[in-house]
Amino acid sequence: EPEVTQTPSHQVTQMGQEVILRCVPISNHLYFYWYRQILGQKVEFLVSFYNNEISEKSEIFDDQFSVERPDGSNFTLKIRSTKLEDSAMYFCASRKILAVQETQYFGPGTRLLVL
Amino acid sequence: DQQVKQNSPSLSVQEGRISILNCDYTNSMFDYFLWYKKYPAEGPTFLISISSIKDKNEDGRFTVFLNKSAKHLSLHIVPSQPGDSAVYFCAASASAAGNKLTFGGGTRVLVKP
Repeated sequence: EPEVTQTPSHQVTQMGQEVILRCVPISNHLYFYWYRQILGQKVEFLVSFYNNEISEKSEIFDDQFSVERPDGSNFTLKIRSTKLEDSAMYFCASRKILAVQETQYFGPGTRLLVL
Repeated sequence: DQQVKQNSPSLSVQEGRISILNCDYTNSMFDYFLWYKKYPAEGPTFLISISSIKDKNEDGRFTVFLNKSAKHLSLHIVPSQPGDSAVYFCAASASAAGNKLTFGGGTRVLVKP
């Protein structure tokens, strides 16, 4: 069964460093998302991406964040200068088409720890 | 952001009995609702969904009920199995708002053998 994959599974970085989180969505999916879950809090939407551009972004997704689909398979989230409060689980998700209602499928997540 | 709320942080149930998880929402624009199951150190796994045009959807042991007037949905798991022990998230989306998911806080279910 096709699944969303994410690398790395864990990342530890120093405050102020850049990190890139990688995702390989399900191959025939066209919409891609990043969510995050800070420990003890809800899963929060960050950004959605379709047709090589951002469709929607949340207030969290400020200028320090960017997304890219550099090739036909990878979907990346970059945090330019990490802050302590960026420590969280980051989940990538994808969906097949922009149907009225269509399920999003999630990857296993990347646990980011900023020291 | 309290648009989707799961008021019970935890639930303990005996194996073979019914688990009932509840979820309330406030945003009238939500028209699609999903339940995800999550194990520690894993991503949310899709379980079952329901469109706002329906009031019930069933898939094996899982049934989701939607009460639009009360802005309430519930997930029933019958019979509960030890492997069902996990955190369950309710999520909602609005077609008119890009289909991003808004999640509840989760309910931790423990199924005792």
